Amino acid sequence: NAGVTQTPKFQVLKTGQSMTLQCAQDMNHEYMSWYRQDPGMGLRLIHYSVGAGITDQGEVPNGYNVSRSTTEDFPLRLLSAAPSQTSVYFCASSLMTGANVLTFGAGSRLTVL
Amino acid sequence: AQTVTQSQPEMSVQEAETVTLSCTYDTSESDYYLFWYKQPPSRQMILVIRQEAYKQQNATENRFSVNFQKAAKSFSLKISDSQLGDAAMYFCADSNYKLTFGKGTLLTVNP
Repeated sequence: NAGVTQTPKFQVLKTGQSMTLQCAQDMNHEYMSWYRQDPGMGLRLIHYSVGAGITDQGEVPNGYNVSRSTTEDFPLRLLSAAPSQTSVYFCASSLMTGANVLTFGAGSRLTVL
Repeated sequence: AQTVTQSQPEMSVQEAETVTLSCTYDTSESDYYLFWYKQPPSRQMILVIRQEAYKQQNATENRFSVNFQKAAKSFSLKISDSQLGDAAMYFCADSNYKLTFGKGTLLTVNP
């Protein structure tokens, strides 16, 4: 039982490049989400999904794109990376929203030069 | 937008002593849940404790307990008999649909 798997763990990009952070869960969770963590800012919600084919914006969605074609996968795309997107990214999932405890991935550290 | 406030950016405690971390929230929902998560240097997010807002009884998990004051929208975490392994960043969060986190409190445990 792998839980929530994020790849890659580390990535360095140049400004303007695009990339995809992968997230997969094997717990049949309906709810999946992406957060970014910056020093002194806590975790801020980027995008979330309540099921396959359904996505919505969180607090800081600009510059990011998501899709949910399957229950298991929820990739986060950076369309044109900017230094302001340097951060640690967490994918998290739960059975449903609200009461259910989020299971987090190990995080992905992204540096944009 | 929901706001979760942790007013103590850093706290320290002596090993075996008790420490309380503060948290306030501002949700207007009637049904919601509150959480404390711990993030050690490994970066992994670990659930410490969960409180259901409709339950008046404060949640407890071994050495960890909460003081839930619904009218004041306050949700503090008490760590008893602090251990070196408790050193971490602690995040308070509330959820009625999406989880909103505070900015965190960095806890140092002194031997």
